[in-house]
Amino acid sequence: EADIYQTPRYLVIGTGKKITLECSQTMGHDKMYWYQQDPGMELHLIHYSYGVNSTEKGDLSSESTVSRIRTEHFPLTLESARPSHTSQYLCATQRQGGTEAFFGQGTRLTVV
Amino acid sequence: RKEVEQDPGPFNVPEGATVAFNCTYSNSASQSFFWYRQDCRKEPKLLMSVYSSGNEDGRFTAQLNRASQYISLLIRDSKLSDSATYLCVVTPPMKTSYDKVIFGPGTSLSVIP
Repeated sequence: EADIYQTPRYLVIGTGKKITLECSQTMGHDKMYWYQQDPGMELHLIHYSYGVNSTEKGDLSSESTVSRIRTEHFPLTLESARPSHTSQYLCATQRQGGTEAFFGQGTRLTVV
Repeated sequence: RKEVEQDPGPFNVPEGATVAFNCTYSNSASQSFFWYRQDCRKEPKLLMSVYSSGNEDGRFTAQLNRASQYISLLIRDSKLSDSATYLCVVTPPMKTSYDKVIFGPGTSLSVIP
């Protein structure tokens, strides 16, 4: 079983607030991913990292930013939350070499 | 064209039916292949890996055809608990450290009593 943790699990926040979604893993995996997923819809990659100090934007344009200062952590930040950011955010990790990806339980964000 | 494409679905089948999902991928040099299952409002979880020789796990059989760049998942004797979205997943050759895993859009399955 993978050890990947996302906090908070649920967040309701007002428009304009700054928020950081946490993703932590204890497996030492180099690759980490952030996906955005609306109910009944497909996963959209918004950011990924292939190691410390490396981050790339994903396929879906996002107003969020990420950092990868340590292997274990890959936080995602929204400087000013808007109702359009309401969604589920899923973090995943993967070891180098093309193995399977492991997901955290997700953060369900609601911006009111 | 998307890098990974799947049957659009949804599939609505009666209990006990056999159902097959198809997936195609565009990068002929792709390295590894998987099927994931995602329940409603949950995270995706690995269902099974897919090998060129094919593999079977109970009622589930996965096949890979590299020449046709095609992956399939067969579920026999469908159960109500099989209702979920099934995601086809492909990893590129990983020749560079920044190659990333690719998830298909998913195919929704509802097994009806």
